[in-house]
Formats: sequence, structure tokens, C-alpha cells
Amino acid sequence: DGGITQSPKYLFRKEGQNVTLSCEQNLNHDAMYWYRQDPGQGLRLIYYSQIVNDFQKGDIAEGYSVSREKKESFPLTVTSAQKNPTAFYLCASSEIGQGAFFGPGTRLTVL
Amino acid sequence: AQSVAQPEDQVNVAEGNPLTVKCTYSVSGNPYLFWYVQYPNRGLQFLLKYITGDNLVKGSYGFEAEFNKSQTSFHLKKPSALVSDSALYFCAVRDVTGGSYIPTFGRGTSLIVHP
Repeated sequence: DGGITQSPKYLFRKEGQNVTLSCEQNLNHDAMYWYRQDPGQGLRLIYYSQIVNDFQKGDIAEGYSVSREKKESFPLTVTSAQKNPTAFYLCASSEIGQGAFFGPGTRLTVL
Repeated sequence: AQSVAQPEDQVNVAEGNPLTVKCTYSVSGNPYLFWYVQYPNRGLQFLLKYITGDNLVKGSYGFEAEFNKSQTSFHLKKPSALVSDSALYFCAVRDVTGGSYIPTFGRGTSLIVHP
């Protein structure tokens, strides 16, 4: 099956700890995205990548980092610098300019 | 610059009645427009898109949307609502001529269909 997967589904982080969220797609899409979703605020763009080994900051990149070493993978690291990381994180991929396919999401909670 | 507005946080409709979820947009060039649906604790699912051509776009699950350039709107509609349509709906826009391929999403509208 073609699709986009995220893991883990639920993640708990202690204060001051870095965590990495996984995102993998087998749709052969060039573009990949990370969004953060908070209640009542819609989706906010964290980082995006158009091609392997290249990525750009979105609207709320502070406290996050990404890598794009392979076309199918776009992991997101939530660092200790992110002051309010509790949220639902969504990864997506698309052909450039077309509608996006979203993963099932990872819910991150800071303890 | 591109932006999208969903003026209603919540829409309530009785099962069997028609439903409309509103979306207006702002772009400097021509828009690509999208609708997505999200069920609780799930990712977004693509419903339909407008790129060019016929102003009435048909999508998944019986949904359709009408592109209105003069009113800069792209409202989502369904002739007869189902309880299972209850979910969060997002409109998104991309300015085709603006040089960015990243869509901007609205804040979402919660649709509640009552039995």
C-alpha cells in the first residue's frame, strides 16, 4: 500500500529532553512537510522540504530541527528549546503544488 | 501573500439536511484550493481540489465545492448530511503565481450533524 506513516502514535517527553518523530512515505513525493496542530489554531507549518538534503523553515521553526537525507524520510526533532511542545504533530507529503497526503499524526505530551 | 478564512468555528446541521462549510481566500494571483477532513486523533484526509476549469468540483463522500472568483469563496457543500460527516474540516489555498508551493490552511470548522 502506498502511504505516509508516522511513529510513534503517542510520545511522552520529560522537560529538557530532545525527542524525534518519525515520518516515512512511499509515494515517491518530492515535497514533505511538518505541521503542528493546537486546538482552535488550525495547522501551523514548522518545516518543509522540496528535495533531498534541502529544507526550509516554516512559520514556527524555533525549537525544532529536521533532516532530509532520503527522499522517503523526513524526521522531526523537538528540542529542549521548544518551550511548549505539547501538541499534535502532522507530517505530509505531496507532489510540488498538488494536494497533500497526511500521516496519522503523533501526539506529543510533555510531563 | 496568501490567506484563507473559515468564518465559522462550528456548524450544526440535522441529518438529512443540506450542509455548507464556508471558506474565503485571498491571493495575489490565481488560487489552487483544497478541502480536507479530519476525524478525532487522525491525520487530514483530502476531499477535493480546485485547480482550473469547472467551478463546481465534486469530491469524496458526496461532498462538492463551488469556486466563486468574484466572491473569493470556495464553500464546501453536501446535499444531505450524515451523522458520520461530523468532523473537523479545513480549507487550504495556494497562490499559483505567488512563487510558493506551500498551502496556507484555515483554522478549521467543526461540523456537527445531529441525528
